[in-house]
Amino acid sequence: DAGVIQSPRHEVTEMGQEVTLRCKPISGHNSLFWYRQTMMRGLELLIYFNNNVPIDDSGMPEDRFSAKMPNASFSTLKIQPSEPRDSAVYFCASSTTRNQPQHFGDGTRLSIL
Amino acid sequence: RKEVEQDPGPFNVPEGATVAFNCTYSNSASQSFFWYRQDCRKEPKLLMSVYSSGNEDGRFTAQLNRASQYISLLIRDSKLSDSATYLCVVRGNTDKLIFGTGTRLQVFP
Repeated sequence: DAGVIQSPRHEVTEMGQEVTLRCKPISGHNSLFWYRQTMMRGLELLIYFNNNVPIDDSGMPEDRFSAKMPNASFSTLKIQPSEPRDSAVYFCASSTTRNQPQHFGDGTRLSIL
Repeated sequence: RKEVEQDPGPFNVPEGATVAFNCTYSNSASQSFFWYRQDCRKEPKLLMSVYSSGNEDGRFTAQLNRASQYISLLIRDSKLSDSATYLCVVRGNTDKLIFGTGTRLQVFP
């Protein structure tokens, strides 16, 4: 069975550039989550969707971050403009219902120079 | 105060040892509890859910103490392959999971 698929696996870009991260959740999963992980702050929830609708975006750092889920099989997290402090590993996760554990993708390792 | 707190470690133990990790959470309304494992440069993976009565999965035992708001994980007969970071995870009354920053375990020969 295919797990959560994220792309790209690695991204290196210069500050000021737009960055788009992509996620395909596990088929049949209704909830999708975007996380950011750094050494200093650990794993932080940025935003999550239920049935393609954003439910809680209180973890989104600032207006430079935006996320969309146009359909049940695809989501994007966009950073525009990017800054060096955005460097982190970004994970996407999905789950079937609110009480089920979340399954994580391999992550995108983002470096902003 | 962090919502979920863990001792970052590292815990360095020899093969065959028994090791225990604790975790405390601040939200008394929390409803679901998990332990995740994360290997270096990999994604977090579910290790086990934690039930009120305590539960065991092979060499791993998880306990929940709601009154004191802490969760524990016991690993018996440690293997080299158990070396990883163990994340304590709590869910309140929403879909959001709150992750601890993890406890690093290093098992040596």
